[in-house]
Amino acid sequence: DVKVTQSSRYLVKRTGEKVFLECVQDMDHENMFWYRQDPGLGLRLIYFSYDVKMKEKGDIPEGYSVSREKKERFSLILESASTNQTSMYLCASSGGFSYNEQFFGPGTRLTVL
Amino acid sequence: TQLLEQSPQFLSIQEGENLTVYCNSSSVFSSLQWYRQEPGEGPVLLVTVVTGGEVKKLKRLTFQFGDARKDSSLHITAAQPGDTGLYLCNDYKLSFGAGTTVTVRA
Repeated sequence: DVKVTQSSRYLVKRTGEKVFLECVQDMDHENMFWYRQDPGLGLRLIYFSYDVKMKEKGDIPEGYSVSREKKERFSLILESASTNQTSMYLCASSGGFSYNEQFFGPGTRLTVL
Repeated sequence: TQLLEQSPQFLSIQEGENLTVYCNSSSVFSSLQWYRQEPGEGPVLLVTVVTGGEVKKLKRLTFQFGDARKDSSLHITAAQPGDTGLYLCNDYKLSFGAGTTVTVRA
């Protein structure tokens, strides 16, 4: 059974803290994605990676960075968390082709106080 | 600004009724995927359509891709409470629509 796991289901942080969200996939997928999901706005792409140590900005990269040191792991970093980064964060992975299925993790609900 | 427009935003129906949700864009889709997301979970792929005019069926779900590849619809026949969820369309170049929240009442 294919699996994408995220390090936490719920996370509460304070403004200004550095936050790490971890995502691991066991399908040997090349592509990995980070989205945030807000009511009425759907899923918005923050960053994606198509190979180890490669990263591309998505639609809303400001305030975020990513790291992909190993193929199976893709980390999202909030250098200095702000209240407007309170959201649901979803990680996904997919195989090589552009319209291959994306497999999603269960999400991390992050609250920044 | 959402490049993929989904409508309606919310839909609440009684078990056994039919429903249709829509996904539209001013741009031509490269391909289109439909996902369903249940509360507390990540989205799960239902179908991918690639060819203009394509129709795909998945049990009680029928997916249509417009001839011009700028619109798509998802029709559910005899909806059941298990169909409740957020339905999202996705084109890998245009990202995701905001989704349609479907509630099927028993």
